[in-house]
Amino acid sequence: AQSVAQPEDQVNVAEGNPLTVKCTYSVSGNPYLFWYVQYPNRGLQFLLKYITGDNLVKGSYGFEAEFNKSQTSFHLKKPSALVSDSALYFCAVSPLSGGYQKVTFGTGTKLQVIP
Amino acid sequence: SQTIHQWPATLVQPVGSPLSLECTVEGTSNPNLYWYRQAAGRGLQLLFYSVGIGQISSEVPQNLSASRPQDRQFILSSKKLLLSDSGFYLCAWTTSGGPYTDTQYFGPGTRLTVL
Repeated sequence: AQSVAQPEDQVNVAEGNPLTVKCTYSVSGNPYLFWYVQYPNRGLQFLLKYITGDNLVKGSYGFEAEFNKSQTSFHLKKPSALVSDSALYFCAVSPLSGGYQKVTFGTGTKLQVIP
Repeated sequence: SQTIHQWPATLVQPVGSPLSLECTVEGTSNPNLYWYRQAAGRGLQLLFYSVGIGQISSEVPQNLSASRPQDRQFILSSKKLLLSDSGFYLCAWTTSGGPYTDTQYFGPGTRLTVL
């Protein structure tokens, strides 16, 4: 069965500093990986995804994520954090194969950017 | 462009009362549709998914049911609500087809409080 781990319940970072939100996964075969962001009392918004190709994926709002197959990780990064980045971030994984595939979400990491 | 609507936005219901939450998608045809519950503002639990009209798959045995009477309409129901049904309910859609279409697009959510 596939799974996603987000080991940090909360990440605090000062505004202007780089941020990293960690994610590791387990899936049979090659993975299809996602990051989503959720603001309070809102639905999740898609940030970026990895299918194949370049291990560094660029997404919305200046975020990027690095796929590391040997470490089964897909950490979310941003060079310079903004206060407006404060939100709940979810990593998700799906097996990369044909037909309908269920996506498994992590438990979320709360990012707090301190002014 | 595609949009997804959910209503109501908030709902307060007594224990034992019925429930009907509605989700509709515009701007796409034959979407895959999903109902999630998010408890305590954290992890997402997949409740139901549907790949077509009248086709419902249940992920977790529970007090809830789902129906898809039209291509772009997905309804979550209960005959008798329990306290444990409280939570934030999210509807999502993906385009149908192969594995490269699994980005999920979420609605704004319904906050359900059962008293």
